[in-house]
Amino acid sequence: EAQVTQNPRYLITVTGKKLTVTCSQNMNHEYMSWYRQDPGLGLRQIYYSMNVEVTDKGDVPEGYKVSRKEKRNFPLILESPSPNQTSLYFCASSLRENQPQHFGDGTRLSIL
Amino acid sequence: GENVEQHPSTLSVQEGDSAVIKCTYSDSASNYFPWYKQELGKRPQLIIDIRSNVGEKKDQRIAVTLNKTAKHFSLHITETQPEDSAVYFCAATKGSARQLTFGSGTQLTVLP
Repeated sequence: EAQVTQNPRYLITVTGKKLTVTCSQNMNHEYMSWYRQDPGLGLRQIYYSMNVEVTDKGDVPEGYKVSRKEKRNFPLILESPSPNQTSLYFCASSLRENQPQHFGDGTRLSIL
Repeated sequence: GENVEQHPSTLSVQEGDSAVIKCTYSDSASNYFPWYKQELGKRPQLIIDIRSNVGEKKDQRIAVTLNKTAKHFSLHITETQPEDSAVYFCAATKGSARQLTFGSGTQLTVLP
């Protein structure tokens, strides 16, 4: 089954404790992206990747890192999480840019 | 960068009536305009998209229109059903920017 898999689905942690949210897709998609969703603000793009070893900042990249060492994986790293990063996060992938994006089930992060 | 505004933020219609959601974008170079539906607690899913070389696209009860001159595009849902109740997001992207910018969402409620 074609899918985008995120882990964990839920995480409660404390300020400053490094965390990684994994994202994997099995559709051989070139384009992958991370979004955060906050009430009233819609989905805002954090980082995106055109292909392996090619990443770029979206609209809200501060406080986040990503890597794309393999085509299928695109982890989101919070080196020193802060409470303002409490949000619902979605990973998405598409065959190429400007193509329909397939979203994962989301990861709800709470930073205390 | 691109700015996408979406209206209304909430919309209630009677079952069987039509619903219209409107979005405006700021960058005249934008060329891809997808619409996503997000049910409560679920991932966003693409329902229809349109490219800048087309003025209208239909898929059963759903249609999207694009006015490049005015820089706005709209989602039309006819014969609404209770299962159409969800949050709908518009988005816009430039091919060169490779970023997808979302509107803030519209909560559609279809009353039985």
